[in-house]
Amino acid sequence: AQSVTQPDIHITVSEGASLELRCNYSYGATPYLFWYVQSPGQGLQLLLKYFSGDTLVQGIKGFEAEFKRSQSSFNLRKPSVHWSDAAEYFCAVGHYGGSQGNLIFGKGTKLSVKP
Amino acid sequence: GAVVSQHPSRVICKSGTSVKIECRSLDFQATTMFWYRQFPKQSLMLMATSNEGSKATYEQGVEKDKFLINHASLTLSTLTVTSAHPEDSSFYICSAKTATYEQYFGPGTRLTVT
Repeated sequence: AQSVTQPDIHITVSEGASLELRCNYSYGATPYLFWYVQSPGQGLQLLLKYFSGDTLVQGIKGFEAEFKRSQSSFNLRKPSVHWSDAAEYFCAVGHYGGSQGNLIFGKGTKLSVKP
Repeated sequence: GAVVSQHPSRVICKSGTSVKIECRSLDFQATTMFWYRQFPKQSLMLMATSNEGSKATYEQGVEKDKFLINHASLTLSTLTVTSAHPEDSSFYICSAKTATYEQYFGPGTRLTVT
């Protein structure tokens, strides 16, 4: 079955420290992948996306993610976290030709930032 | 990125009444929109896929007669929660898919049924 796993439910990092949020997927077809961020009571904002080509993709707010097909992973990274990055982060996977393009979401990782 | 709006952002209604939530893609046309429900501290649960000019496709376990979806144009989809009950209280989020498979989300609607 298709699935997306975000193994870390909650991560706390100090402001200025580096960050890596993990995402693993299980998909039978060629996937495309997204990372979204959600602040409390808000909708989801698209951080970055991967469809094809360069496996290291840059997004907004200084985030980047690397697609590793051999590891079925699409981990999100940021070299220096800011207090405003505290939020919930969701990894999502879709595939071409899939059911009208709907996405499968991970359960999310809550990021807390210590001053 | 593309912008998707939702209206209202918050609504409180009495049990037994119906509530309509609108989802609009403001700067692009979306042949497909999605409706999600999100419970506190949980991920998004896909309720249904809304296609312009055709019937919505509902996920297993979602009552189509309770959650009526209409996708009347390439920029508007509506979700009507009929005969709402307290257990329908939730955060409802829509998204719109572009021609290049990107999905942009609305800001969500907090529904409280008293």
